[in-house]
Amino acid sequence: NAGVTQTPKFQVLKTGQSMTLQCAQDMNHEYMSWYRQDPGMGLRLIHYSVGAGITDQGEVPNGYNVSRSTTEDFPLRLLSAAPSQTSVYFCASSFLLTTGELFFGEGSRLTVL
Amino acid sequence: DQQVKQNSPSLSVQEGRISILNCDYTNSMFDYFLWYKKYPAEGPTFLISISSIKDKNEDGRFTVFLNKSAKHLSLHIVPSQPGDSAVYFCAASPLKTSYDKVIFGPGTSLSVIP
Repeated sequence: NAGVTQTPKFQVLKTGQSMTLQCAQDMNHEYMSWYRQDPGMGLRLIHYSVGAGITDQGEVPNGYNVSRSTTEDFPLRLLSAAPSQTSVYFCASSFLLTTGELFFGEGSRLTVL
Repeated sequence: DQQVKQNSPSLSVQEGRISILNCDYTNSMFDYFLWYKKYPAEGPTFLISISSIKDKNEDGRFTVFLNKSAKHLSLHIVPSQPGDSAVYFCAASPLKTSYDKVIFGPGTSLSVIP
């Protein structure tokens, strides 16, 4: 049972480069989201989606783009990386109307030089 | 201004003793509270939750207490085990399924000493 799978686990970028963090879940969850974790800040919501074709901004969306073409996949794109985007990124998913808890991937550690 | 606060960045407890992790919140609209546990190089995993209609919820060695008037909740782990060493995040939400409105605290790192 794979759950929520994130790739890559580690990435180093130079300022201005672009990249995509991949997230896939095999639990048929409608809700998917991206968080970033920074020291002393907890987890902050970047973008989220309640189903294929539907996305919305979270607390810290600037510098990131998302799309949801399938139920399973929710990639996060950094268009022009900045050092302030150095962080650990987590993808999370859940069922919309039940559960109440989020299921997280293992995280992707991104360093922007 | 943080809406969910965990004022102790770290906590050390002897194996077999009780661990008490505290969490305070400021938004009176929060109605559903959760604790997540995170090991290094892994994602957070759900531990236990509580709705505002209750003041206590228990699951094995883990009990969460909610004091709505004080806007305070705590997680008790009894007895503590070395495998409990992890970072614990408190989270709050206005509704059980308002996933986009969940606010996480900064976390408390628990070390259980054998």
